Amino acid sequence: ETGVTQTPRHLVMGMTNKKSLKCEQHLGHNAMYWYKQSAKKPLELMFVYSLEERVENNSVPSRFSPECPNSSHLFLHLHTLQPEDSALYLCASSQVRGLAGGLYEQYFGPGTRLTVT
Amino acid sequence: QQQVKQSPQSLIVQKGGISIINCAYENTAFDYFPWYQQFPGKGPALLIAIRPDVSEKKEGRFTISFNKSAKQFSLHIMDSQPGDSATYFCAASRAFGNEKLTFGTGTRLTIIP
Repeated sequence: ETGVTQTPRHLVMGMTNKKSLKCEQHLGHNAMYWYKQSAKKPLELMFVYSLEERVENNSVPSRFSPECPNSSHLFLHLHTLQPEDSALYLCASSQVRGLAGGLYEQYFGPGTRLTVT
Repeated sequence: QQQVKQSPQSLIVQKGGISIINCAYENTAFDYFPWYQQFPGKGPALLIAIRPDVSEKKEGRFTISFNKSAKQFSLHIMDSQPGDSATYFCAASRAFGNEKLTFGTGTRLTIIP
């Protein structure tokens, strides 16, 4: 596997279900991200993990719970979601060089298409 | 101040023509401006990026033009091909010490024969 992989690619869940999205990056990066992509809206940054520590939580409802056990893996645990949470959830990774400088590029996975019924 | 405005929302261009997508930003601290290309069923992929120390960057048929005083930047696709049909997102961030990208709303580009 190369790049950033995400599983599952498609997920349909009821509002009372609990499920998890998985992301794995094979690029040796030290930062990982969750984004939500909805139609006609900008990509919404949800969570950022840098060096395995959460550095960003953009007022995301508690029904979304991220987990980053190591620099290569990122999970998004879902519970009691709402229909408006239906979207494409994208994972990305980058090499953060920190204040010492250097541009970074974010590499995205193919996303998980989530439908909440 | 964090918003990036992108236009048009959709664009249809004839094969061989020039596709132009525009973005405007508000935060003067932004100094890194990438463009991402997304095909159906795939995640966005970095296409080309520019820093404000230059007014133009060209990579093959893709060119970014940057106007710092107007806080605008645009993507030009020369000799547009059907394989360029995709959704394009502009983004902006600070290049150093900040991992957050602020994205535009996207432009769905369709190249017709």
